[in-house]
Amino acid sequence: EPEVTQTPSHQVTQMGQEVILRCVPISNHLYFYWYRQILGQKVEFLVSFYNNEISEKSEIFDDQFSVERPDGSNFTLKIRSTKLEDSAMYFCASSITLTGGSSPLHFGNGTRLTVT
Amino acid sequence: SQQGEEDPQALSIQEGENATMNCSYKTSINNLQWYRQNSGRGLVHLILIRSNEREKHSGRLRVTLDTSKKSSSLLITASRAADTASYFCATWYNNAGNMLTFGGGTRLMVKP
Repeated sequence: EPEVTQTPSHQVTQMGQEVILRCVPISNHLYFYWYRQILGQKVEFLVSFYNNEISEKSEIFDDQFSVERPDGSNFTLKIRSTKLEDSAMYFCASSITLTGGSSPLHFGNGTRLTVT
Repeated sequence: SQQGEEDPQALSIQEGENATMNCSYKTSINNLQWYRQNSGRGLVHLILIRSNEREKHSGRLRVTLDTSKKSSSLLITASRAADTASYFCATWYNNAGNMLTFGGGTRLMVKP
């Protein structure tokens, strides 16, 4: 069964550094998402992406964050200048259609980002 | 917040027992979905129920939706140790565009 893959599985970075988290969504999916989960807390929506542009973004997704689909397969999340509070698990997801959310989201296994 | 909220936050049962988790939400929805998350892993979609449906089954899972009470429940029958995981409800709001919003989850432990 096709799956969403994320790399790396664990990223350690120093405060103030830039990080890029990478995702390969399922190949025929059209909608892409990033979520984050601080340890033991809720899964929080960051951003959704369709047709090479952001569809929705949350308050968390400020100017320090950006997303990109640099080619036909990858979907990246960049954090320009990491802060301690950015430490979390970041999940990429994709769905085949939107149509009122009738398609389930398929999640990757996440990248654990640790900012020191 | 428009997020769904699950209760209980944690549930511990013996293998073979049924597990019931509840979810409440605040505004009108297009659909409600349940996801499962094993420790340290990604979320896996379990079942989707549309706003015009009242009950749905999938294997040992039974989901109900009461839009008048803005609540849903997930029942896992004849639980197994392998069902140990966190379970999240997620709602897709009518006017929230491309945003699936998750609740805080129920941590289920099934003891063998």
